Amino acid sequence: DIVLTQAPLSVSVTPGESASISCRSSKSLLSSKGITSLYWYLQRPGKSPQLLIYQMSNLASGVPDRFSSSGSETDFTLKISKVETEDVGVYYCGHRLEYPNTFGAGTKLELK
Amino acid sequence: QVNLLQSGAALVKPGASVKLSCKASGYTFTDYYIHWVKQSHGKSLEWIGYINPNSGYTNYNEKFKSKATLTVDKSTNTAYMELSRLTSEDSATYYCTRRGRGYTGFDYWGQGVMVTVSS
Repeated sequence: DIVLTQAPLSVSVTPGESASISCRSSKSLLSSKGITSLYWYLQRPGKSPQLLIYQMSNLASGVPDRFSSSGSETDFTLKISKVETEDVGVYYCGHRLEYPNTFGAGTKLELK
Repeated sequence: QVNLLQSGAALVKPGASVKLSCKASGYTFTDYYIHWVKQSHGKSLEWIGYINPNSGYTNYNEKFKSKATLTVDKSTNTAYMELSRLTSEDSATYYCTRRGRGYTGFDYWGQGVMVTVSS
């Protein structure tokens, strides 16, 4: 199974500042169709996960452009600029390259 | 608007089975696969498997092959997951989620259902 390793496990950010979360894959997530199968989800406290980013760098519908993502075939970074209170929660990276789909351990974002 | 409504919390005894439901609305049920994801308390997400509501085809995570059974009822736009021979390790929140078109990821999620296995 593909292992996704996130870092850090928690991050504390001052509102208005930026935050970055890393996700490293044990295998290239570039598919034979040229799609990088890396996704980012946010799980707010007590809520279901929601899709933020698909195919490594595309914003899901309704997601503010303060969120951005980039990377290579195995190393990825989610950046949140001008962090707001609604950004608090746990961020997960996940892949859909093959089965089983797997997720990272999550990164908890808190406000200072 | 798309909605996935899951059944309520369940308290079940060890060794028993439980059947969870996920009722879809706001879209054509047979056009999108339904996946199920497990989240143990305070832990990350584990993919259990998916079902194609149109054909009934299923694909399971090897880890859950003897644990979970996925079915659908197209007449009521409802997906089901039955968990068998429950142990304390099965105590968790279970989500149903829809895989979006193409490669857009899991775009809608149910509210989750907490299963507690206890005597």
